[in-house]
Amino acid sequence: EPEVTQTPSHQVTQMGQEVILRCVPISNHLYFYWYRQILGQKVEFLVSFYNNEISEKSEIFDDQFSVERPDGSNFTLKIRSTKLEDSAMYFCASSEEAGGAYGYTFGSGTRLTVV
Amino acid sequence: EDKVVQSPLSLVVHEGDTVTLNCSYEVTNFRSLLWYKQEKKAPTFLFMLTSSGIEKKSGRLSSILDKKELFSILNITATQTGDSAVYLCAALTRRDDKIIFGKGTRLHILP
Repeated sequence: EPEVTQTPSHQVTQMGQEVILRCVPISNHLYFYWYRQILGQKVEFLVSFYNNEISEKSEIFDDQFSVERPDGSNFTLKIRSTKLEDSAMYFCASSEEAGGAYGYTFGSGTRLTVV
Repeated sequence: EDKVVQSPLSLVVHEGDTVTLNCSYEVTNFRSLLWYKQEKKAPTFLFMLTSSGIEKKSGRLSSILDKKELFSILNITATQTGDSAVYLCAALTRRDDKIIFGKGTRLHILP
């Protein structure tokens, strides 16, 4: 069964450092998303991406965040200067169509720990 | 502000019991209601409900949506220890760019 792949599974970084979280969406999917889940809290929307541009972003997704689809397969989330409060599980998701007839397919997540 | 509220937040039952998880929503431009199961990491898709009153079933799991009362339930019959997980309810908006999650119900099944 096709799956969304995320790397790394766990990353520890020092405050102020830049991190890039990588995702390989399902190959025929056109819509891509990043969500995050701070430990013990709910899953929160960050950004959606379609046709090589951001469709929508939340208040969390400020100037420190950026997304990119550098080639035909990868979808990355960059945090320019990490803060302690960026520590969370980051999920990438993709869907074949807007909204996804079967919901979205989530990756297994990257746990980011900022120290 | 759009919101999705799940109850209870936590539930502990014995194997074999039947459980009902609740989800209410207040979302502008509502399109569909989604249920996910989250075990260790990624949420895995269970159901998408778009029409009111039509039950969706998958094995021991079933779910139904009431668009008049803005409410959905997820039923699990004959629970097993493998059902232990966080169950997430989410609302999909017509803008199709995001889904709004509830905080989840943490279900623990005792052997």
